[in-house]
Amino acid sequence: AQSVTQLDSHVSVSEGTPVLLRCNYSSSYSPSLFWYVQHPNKGLQLLLKYTSAATLVKGINGFEAEFKKSETSFHLTKPSAHMSDAAEYFCVVSITGGGNKLTFGTGTQLKVEL
Amino acid sequence: ETGVTQSPTHLIKTRGQQVTLRCSSQSGHNTVSWYQQALGQGPQFIFQYYREEENGRGNFPPRFSGLQFPNYSSELNVNALELDDSALYLCASSFPGEEKLFFGSGTQLSVL
Repeated sequence: AQSVTQLDSHVSVSEGTPVLLRCNYSSSYSPSLFWYVQHPNKGLQLLLKYTSAATLVKGINGFEAEFKKSETSFHLTKPSAHMSDAAEYFCVVSITGGGNKLTFGTGTQLKVEL
Repeated sequence: ETGVTQSPTHLIKTRGQQVTLRCSSQSGHNTVSWYQQALGQGPQFIFQYYREEENGRGNFPPRFSGLQFPNYSSELNVNALELDDSALYLCASSFPGEEKLFFGSGTQLSVL
């Protein structure tokens, strides 16, 4: 079985400072990993995905994530937070043999303060 | 915009009733998945339909069922509603073979 663990349920940063949202995964095979963002009253939006090409993955809105097999981690980062980044972020793994059937983490609520 | 629309946006039912939630996908998206997101939790995979047939199910009982239609619309049906079925239900669609999912904004179901 594949799973993801998001290590922080809430993260608070000041605008203009770096963002780090942490995610560890568990997988018997080389996983497909994703980060999705959920703004209030809006659908989930794909930020980025890792599918065994480059280990550093760049996504939309300045976010990026690094796949580290030795640490089974896939942390999401952004150099400088913006107020509009405040949202719920989900680390996601694709279910084994499932193509686009996804297993979500429990989410990290990102708060950005002035 | 994702091109995936869900209706209704909010719904209130009582325990034991039945409910039908609807989803309309983009043209060409012949794979549709449904997810349940309880308050404070990540979405959980309910099932997926491909070309109008069920193509995988998560850990949900048979009272959760679905239909997919040729016009890229789909339904999620839940019978014998329980209080724990209160959640946001998300529909997601994709092009065949693609991992990128397009999510709707969801239907918020409250069971009283």
